[in-house]
Amino acid sequence: EAQVTQNPRYLITVTGKKLTVTCSQNMNHEYMSWYRQDPGLGLRQIYYSMNVEVTDKGDVPEGYKVSRKEKRNFPLILESPSPNQTSLYFCASRDKASGNTIYFGEGSWLTVV
Amino acid sequence: AQSVTQLDSQVPVFEEAPVELRCNYSSSVSVYLFWYVQYPNQGLQLLLKYLSGSTLVKGINGFEAEFNKSQTSFHLRKPSVHISDTAEYFCAVSYALPGTYKYIFGTGTRLKVLA
Repeated sequence: EAQVTQNPRYLITVTGKKLTVTCSQNMNHEYMSWYRQDPGLGLRQIYYSMNVEVTDKGDVPEGYKVSRKEKRNFPLILESPSPNQTSLYFCASRDKASGNTIYFGEGSWLTVV
Repeated sequence: AQSVTQLDSQVPVFEEAPVELRCNYSSSVSVYLFWYVQYPNQGLQLLLKYLSGSTLVKGINGFEAEFNKSQTSFHLRKPSVHISDTAEYFCAVSYALPGTYKYIFGTGTRLKVLA
């Protein structure tokens, strides 16, 4: 089954404690990205990657890092989380062959206290 | 600049009534258009998409949308909604830039189906 898998699904952490949200896709897509979803703001792109070792900033990259060492994996790193990073995060991969249809993971609820 | 506007943040409607969720976009280049649905506590999934061809597009769960180039709209419709259609719906636009594709989401419309 085609899917994007992200973990953890739910996390409560404290300010400043580094954390990583993992993301993996099994569709061999080149393009992957991270979004955050906040009430009234919709989905905003954090970072994206067009292929292995190629990453770039999205619309709201401050406070986040990413890496793309393998095609299937695209982890999101919060080096020093702050309360304003409390949000719902989605990993996604994109299928160029179908007009850029996006496949989303199920989301990771992150609370920073 | 490209943008996507979903005019209604919330739409309440009674069960079995018709519904239309509005989406307008602005773009100076050719676009692909999408609707995604997010059920409570779940990720987003594709409802339907317009890439080319017929301007009336049918999706899952009885939804359809019509691409209107002159009005730059891509409104989503369903003739008779069910309680299970309660969800948030996102319109999205994809367009080509040199070397990449840009994707823009609307801010979402919450559809609340009432018994």
